[in-house]
Amino acid sequence: QSVLTQPPSVSGAPGQRVTISCTGSSSNIGAGYGVQWYQQYPGTAPRLLIYENKNRPSGVPDRISASASKSGTSASLAITGLQAEDEADYYCQSYDDSLSGSVFGGGTKLTVL
Amino acid sequence: EVQLVETGGGLFQPGGSVRLSCAASGLVVTSNYMHWVRQAPGKGLQWVAGIYTGDTATYGDSVKGRFTISRDTSNNTLFLQMSTLRVEDTAVYFCAREDSVEAFDIWGQGTMVVVSS
Repeated sequence: QSVLTQPPSVSGAPGQRVTISCTGSSSNIGAGYGVQWYQQYPGTAPRLLIYENKNRPSGVPDRISASASKSGTSASLAITGLQAEDEADYYCQSYDDSLSGSVFGGGTKLTVL
Repeated sequence: EVQLVETGGGLFQPGGSVRLSCAASGLVVTSNYMHWVRQAPGKGLQWVAGIYTGDTATYGDSVKGRFTISRDTSNNTLFLQMSTLRVEDTAVYFCAREDSVEAFDIWGQGTMVVVSS
């Protein structure tokens, strides 16, 4: 059972928009800690897609965006104009006060139909 | 180019020990917050341990008291000493650099640890 909850899978057709949710609690997202998002292809290391809730590192396309609910306990990642290369696993991550360490979501497998 | 390279994985017996290494180039291990993250076969990412300013270290509950994170200035290397190994420690172990906003922005390629009798 992961501290951050994500849907196990989402899917969409090429060109469509999909969103992935990440739900935490008052000791992590709700405490104001930033949410990060990572993309991972099978057999490779994760890649940072979003940091501090909504910021993209250089090289990440602007069709990938994210947000976090103000004074809430959830965040979401959105991918528009779906492409075959977006098919991967996606993880959210934050810091947790009660655990005194980082926590990850269980991961969401994105399938491009 | 900034790079992290993990080594030390393999097949180990339950109850045994192993030390993983993460050699860094393009960044100074002792000047950064560094972490170990693992991924069991077919499962998600799990944070294992982190080391911070002044070598303060924190651990996930499942490895506390069994694993020790450390770093070496002379070789610019991060370590994870794993003791009292359990079957459930079987995973790919990644080292990662944490940037200034708690994001893991640089990752190694991972090293596989299998614990089995």
